Amino acid sequence: EAGVAQSPRYKIIEKRQSVAFWCNPISGHATLYWYQQILGQGPKLLIQFQNNGVVDDSQLPKDRFSAERLKGVDSTLKIQPAKLEDSAVYLCASSPGLATEAFFGQGTRLTVV
Amino acid sequence: GENVEQHPSTLSVQEGDSAVIKCTYSDSASNYFPWYKQELGKRPQLIIDIRSNVGEKKDQRIAVTLNKTAKHFSLHITETQPEDSAVYFCAASQGSNYQLIWGAGTKLIIKP
Repeated sequence: EAGVAQSPRYKIIEKRQSVAFWCNPISGHATLYWYQQILGQGPKLLIQFQNNGVVDDSQLPKDRFSAERLKGVDSTLKIQPAKLEDSAVYLCASSPGLATEAFFGQGTRLTVV
Repeated sequence: GENVEQHPSTLSVQEGDSAVIKCTYSDSASNYFPWYKQELGKRPQLIIDIRSNVGEKKDQRIAVTLNKTAKHFSLHITETQPEDSAVYFCAASQGSNYQLIWGAGTKLIIKP
């Protein structure tokens, strides 16, 4: 079974630039999550989709972050403009449903300079 | 807001000994509590989870206990092995969509 695919693996940008991350979840998984993991901390949920609808985006900095899940499958997370404090690993995860095991992608390590 | 506290932040045990990691949560409505293991540079992976209708769950060397009254749950690893070295995260669900609130992590070091 193919896992959660994310790209790119690494990205370095200057502050105020924009960046986009892509995620392809495990086939058939209804729930998709984007997490931000700052070095030495636990993952912080940014947004959670159920199929193609948003069920929680309370911790998403909406003035600069946006996310969409097209046709309830792939998802993109965008940051515009980036700040230094956005440097982190961005993890995408998917699960068959709510309160079930979440499978994580390899993550995208973003460095903002 | 809701939060999950995890202790200790670092735990060093001798190979073969047991390790215990504890978490407390604030939302009394939380009902799903997973534990994830993250090896250096790798993605988090679920190792065990428990729901609020049971007090304990065991899977080989790993067990989780839940005390709903006190709002805390613990991970127990027995007969630790070098491959158990990693960062362990607890999490607790909140809301009807089971959003997870994660602890800050415990770095487990197994000494040979």
